[in-house]
Amino acid sequence: ETGVTQTPRHLVMGMTNKKSLKCEQHLGHNAMYWYKQSAKKPLELMFVYNFKEQTENNSVPSRFSPECPNSSHLFLHLHTLQPEDSALYLCASSQVEGGSNEQFFGPGTRLTVL
Amino acid sequence: DAKTTQPPSMDCAEGRAANLPCNHSTISGNEYVYWYRQIHSQGPQYIIHGLKNNETNEMASLIITEDRKSSTLILPHATLRDTAVYYCIVRSQGAQKLVFGQGTRLTINP
Repeated sequence: ETGVTQTPRHLVMGMTNKKSLKCEQHLGHNAMYWYKQSAKKPLELMFVYNFKEQTENNSVPSRFSPECPNSSHLFLHLHTLQPEDSALYLCASSQVEGGSNEQFFGPGTRLTVL
Repeated sequence: DAKTTQPPSMDCAEGRAANLPCNHSTISGNEYVYWYRQIHSQGPQYIIHGLKNNETNEMASLIITEDRKSSTLILPHATLRDTAVYYCIVRSQGAQKLVFGQGTRLTINP
């Protein structure tokens, strides 16, 4: 238990569906991240939020839309995905400015797009 | 951030020390060496990090060479639960981006 929770743990969706992934951190951190891990590929950073503001978008297609309503919650809204978007989506948090900045990861959401 | 090179896979017997090497020959003076591991289908887990001195915590020890061009992560008494992919990452302190490579798949054998 890392203090970062993600729901759902598994999700199957069609290409025309709209769904959202949720992440919550109970560590009092001020930065949150979305990563994507496709089969046989390294983890790729998607988005970074500091103090609820998006500070990095790593050239992610617009069919992925992040939302950070407060420093403890992070969402990833999904719409019109493609089968190649099937992957493990990981959320992480860290304490920047005064913290050691180690990132703590959630267990991930295994997404399958049909 | 500097790139790292790790062997794709290693085996170790249960109860023995597991020594995982990492090359980072282009590391710059303000960059730290971080180690994470990822057990199958879970999120990565932070293990340890260091700048130039050797570091030890309850999980592992980190040995960094004097020229800082390589390092070794040591799991002193490996257990079956240490089977995972281990990632060596070089990053400036304060930089938020973690750039993961392919890592080393460590298998602990009974």
